[in-house]
Amino acid sequence: AQSVTQLGSHVSVSEGALVLLRCNYSSSVPPYLFWYVQYPNQGLQLLLKYTTGATLVKGINGFEAEFKKSETSFHLTKPSAHMSDAAEYFCAVSRGGATNKLIFGTGTLLAVQP
Amino acid sequence: DTAVSQTPKYLVTQMGNDKSIKCEQNLGHDTMYWYKQDSKKFLKIMFSYNNKELIINETVPNRFSPKSPDKAHLNLHINSLELGDSAVYFCASKGGGTDTQYFGPGTRLTVL
Repeated sequence: AQSVTQLGSHVSVSEGALVLLRCNYSSSVPPYLFWYVQYPNQGLQLLLKYTTGATLVKGINGFEAEFKKSETSFHLTKPSAHMSDAAEYFCAVSRGGATNKLIFGTGTLLAVQP
Repeated sequence: DTAVSQTPKYLVTQMGNDKSIKCEQNLGHDTMYWYKQDSKKFLKIMFSYNNKELIINETVPNRFSPKSPDKAHLNLHINSLELGDSAVYFCASKGGGTDTQYFGPGTRLTVL
C-alpha cells in the first residue's frame, strides 16, 4: 500500500524567506511523486513531479523538490517566497501504470506574511 | 480553452435528491478520474475510467454511479443524496504515456 505524510498542516513564512514543505511517502514499489498546488476555490495545478531519472526536479514558479529514497522524502522548496505563493500544497504518490491513482497527503496551507 | 471542465461549479440540493455532475476534457486523454475533497481538504480517489471502461472503483457507496459515454466525458450521478456527500468533487484526466493528471476546477456540492 502507498501513503503520504505531510508534516505541518500550516506553514507561515515571510515574503522573501525560504519555503520548505515536507513530504514523506511509503511505497512498496518505486514511487512516482507529485506536488500539486490549489489556490482558493480553484482546482489542482501540477507544480512538479518525479518519476525516474534525476532526483532533483524543478517545477513551475521557482519550486523544486528532491527525491531522497533513503529518507523516503520528497520535500518541496523555494528559495524566496512571494505573496502569490500563498495556497494549499498537496504531495501525492502513485505507482504509475494504467491505474495510476494518486494517493494524496493531507495538504499544507502556506501563508506568506508581508 | 479549458482543458478539463466541470458543470456545474456549484450545486446546492436537498437530502434525498438525485443529482449529476458532468466532466469533459479536450486533451484527447484516455483515462479520467473522479476525486472527492472533503471539508478538511482531504482528497481521495473514487473512480477511474480508461477508454470508457471502469478500472478503479474505490470503496464508494453504490449511490454513486459514474458513466462514461465516450473518452472525453465522465459523469458522476449521485442518488439519494446525504449530508455527508457535501464536498468538492474534482474530475481529472491523464493521457497514455504520461503520469500527469490534469484536474478540473471542481464542483462544490452542498447537501442541505
